[in-house]
Amino acid sequence: ETGVTQSPTHLIKTRGQQVTLRCSSQSGHNTVSWYQQALGQGPQFIFQYYREEENGRGNFPPRFSGLQFPNYSSELNVNALELDDSALYLCASSVATGTATTPLHFGNGTRLTVT
Amino acid sequence: AQSVTQLDSQVPVFEEAPVELRCNYSSSVSVYLFWYVQYPNQGLQLLLKYLSGSTLVKGINGFEAEFNKSQTSFHLRKPSVHISDTAEYFCAVIRNSGNTPLVFGKGTRLSVIA
Repeated sequence: ETGVTQSPTHLIKTRGQQVTLRCSSQSGHNTVSWYQQALGQGPQFIFQYYREEENGRGNFPPRFSGLQFPNYSSELNVNALELDDSALYLCASSVATGTATTPLHFGNGTRLTVT
Repeated sequence: AQSVTQLDSQVPVFEEAPVELRCNYSSSVSVYLFWYVQYPNQGLQLLLKYLSGSTLVKGINGFEAEFNKSQTSFHLRKPSVHISDTAEYFCAVIRNSGNTPLVFGKGTRLSVIA
């Protein structure tokens, strides 16, 4: 059973640029969530995808967008990068049922630095 | 909405001593509770979870936590820590129904001193 894998592990971008982060879900998991973890903080929920549709969003602007593919892998896109976007971006997968979800399984994250 | 407060940002403790990391939550509905550990340059690993039933839950690496509904707490404990337990620990809460996100506390940095 493969776990959650994220790529790339590190990335450096310039303010104003766009970035795409990728995530492969754990086998059998149909839901993917993305979190932003700033230095010294807990993870903050960005959004969640289920069956290729966004079904929950945190307090992040529209320049944060995502996709989920039929194989349940996912992308996080951030446009017009700002310095404050520098953080560890975590992807987590889970299995959604009708009432709740199983515990999240996290990848090791992508460390994004915006200069 | 749910929220989590981790009362200590840093906890230094000597090797083989006991430790308690404190977590309080706020919610108007029933919740599930979790503790995750994050080692340097890694993602989050699930330590233990409370879904229902016994309020004392045991997790990996000798950790355990007790759910106290009246005090809205879910403190993490270990009777004897090792150097390898040095890491960041996060308490998290989620509604036990519906599709809502996991909400994390700000974390507690556990430093085990030889």
